[in-house]
Order: sequence, then structure tokens, then C-alpha cells
Amino acid sequence: ILNVEQSPQSLHVQEGDSTNFTCSFPSSNFYALHWYRWETAKSPEALFVMTLNGDEKKKGRISATLNTKEGYSYLYIKGSQPEDSATYLCAFSPGNTGKLIFGQGTTLQVKP
Amino acid sequence: DTGVSQDPRHKITKRGQNVTFRCDPISEHNRLYWYRQTLGQGPEFLTYFQNEAQLEKSRLLSDRFSAERPKGSFSTLEIQRTEQGDSAMYLCASSPTPGYGYTFGSGTRLTVV
Repeated sequence: ILNVEQSPQSLHVQEGDSTNFTCSFPSSNFYALHWYRWETAKSPEALFVMTLNGDEKKKGRISATLNTKEGYSYLYIKGSQPEDSATYLCAFSPGNTGKLIFGQGTTLQVKP
Repeated sequence: DTGVSQDPRHKITKRGQNVTFRCDPISEHNRLYWYRQTLGQGPEFLTYFQNEAQLEKSRLLSDRFSAERPKGSFSTLEIQRTEQGDSAMYLCASSPTPGYGYTFGSGTRLTVV
């Protein structure tokens, strides 16, 4: 059974705080690691797709790193804003079918 | 192209009834995926298509579930003899190749009463 684990399950921070989440995935048969942001009443939105060990990607105040050998990825948000409030999902792709195995998500609430 | 669209947005049905959902992917995307998401869980894989071919179906999917993608365009997901445990958000997504992120639809929320 292929499991993807995310921690923490939920997080409450003040505006301006920086925060990070962890995603653990199987290190065997790795193809890609995805991060999505899912705001309430909207569709999940792709943030990053990473394929190489050591990959680091950045989009504005959000960045992600990837370690395929030990099976983890970190997502960082610098200077959190209320509009960053959402559920952040990571997903592991085992093989090149494009099929994804999702973690349960980390729900972030940023208080003004 | 306005992205991935799903219809209906919400569906309430009585136990034992059949329901059908539709997904219209981005036209250039040959891969289409169906997922199911229940409260507190991440999306769970159901099935996927490359063009019109259904290439994989989750073992979790009972025989009451069937999906089609005629002509490699829109897709339908049918649930026969619905049960209360089928209540969930059903998400459709498309992508051009495996290395790209998904574009998701808004989902269909099914409630079985």
C-alpha cells in the first residue's frame, strides 16, 4: 500500500508568520511529487510539480523542496497572508501514468 | 477554453437510485482522471483515461461504478444503486502529459439520503 502522509493536519498562524509543511511519500518507484492549494468553494490549483532529487521551486512567497532518496518534501510560505488560507495537498506519482496518490492535506488558517 | 467543467455541482439522491456525472476536460488534454474526496481525507483515485481508453480502475471501485470517455472528449461517471457511503465530492481533472500538474474541475458533491 502506497501512503502519503502530511503534517501537521492543521495550522493556525498570524499574518506575517512564516510556516512550513511536510509531505512524506514512498521513496521507491518515484516519478513526480505535486503540491496543490485548495481554497474553500474553489478547485484545487496546481502549485508545483517536482521530479528530480534536490529540486527546489518557488512561486512568489511559496517555495518547495524535494528529497526523493528519503521520501519527503517541504512546502514553505514566507510572511503568510490571510489569502494563503487553504488546504495544501501533496501527491505522489508512482510511475508515469499520471495517477496521483494524495495525502490528507494540511489546512492553513492565517489570522489578520 | 474555460478549464475543466463538471456538471452538476450538487446532487442529492435517494439510496438505490442511479446517478451520472459529467466532466468536460481542457480540449488539448488527452488524460482525464476521476477522484473521490470525503471529509478530512485527500482525493482518492478512481480511474483514468488516455484519450478514449480507460487504462486503470481502482480496486476500491465496486461494480456499481462505471466511467466512459467516448471519442476521447467529455467523460461520464455513473453510480448505480447508490448507497450512503457513496456520499462524497467527485473530482475530475485533466492533464496533457504525466509530468504536468492537473487542472481540476469544481467537483460534484453527491449526497445520498
